[in-house]
Amino acid sequence: EVQLVESGGGLVQPGGSLRLSCVASGFPFSNYDMHWVRQATGKGLEWVSAISIAGDTYSADSVKGRFTVSRENAKNSFHLQMNDLRAGDTAVYYCTRGAEGFDPWGQGTLVTVSS
Amino acid sequence: QSVLTQPPSASGTPGQRVAISCSGSSSNIGSKDVYWYQQLPGTAPRVLIYRNNQRPSGVPDRFSGSKSATSASLAISGLRSEDEADYYCSTWDDILRGWVFGGGTKVTVL
Repeated sequence: EVQLVESGGGLVQPGGSLRLSCVASGFPFSNYDMHWVRQATGKGLEWVSAISIAGDTYSADSVKGRFTVSRENAKNSFHLQMNDLRAGDTAVYYCTRGAEGFDPWGQGTLVTVSS
Repeated sequence: QSVLTQPPSASGTPGQRVAISCSGSSSNIGSKDVYWYQQLPGTAPRVLIYRNNQRPSGVPDRFSGSKSATSASLAISGLRSEDEADYYCSTWDDILRGWVFGGGTKVTVL
């Protein structure tokens, strides 16, 4: 079964940092681009960052310079390092595979930025 | 304000056909494939349509997608109560150099 499991969410103060992780199983992880998508409570989906098979990274303008995505193929995992967090970054963060569309999605991990 | 424009809501009675529009521009829908996602209440999204009109295995053929110029559409025929969900369109944008989503459409079955 293809599965993605996120971890690392929590409560952090404005200006703080947090590292999210996503562990994949059930498919050849190194053969796929991987993405992070977030959703604030009651709001729509927002694409955040991605890392390609080759390790190229790209991010939404709203997080450029603050968020960094990386991958560890040997561990079937990838990460989102989030620095200088702001209240507007509060959301559920989903990891997802770039297949025929974003498929599947993890269950999400909640990040709350508040003092 | 989303790059892709969807109506905030749509509704229909059981058995009816509902269509959801997604409007973009030449830098996104006009030159790229469109994807549709369904998000049931309290769950993660799932892909419903890929590459404009393709259905993944397991998605009922009541769901269909189409694209024309800078707009796309998702149609749900034979509406059922379990179709109550939020629906999002998405594609790549060449100017933003990133993936974009529509604001989402909440479908209600009356």
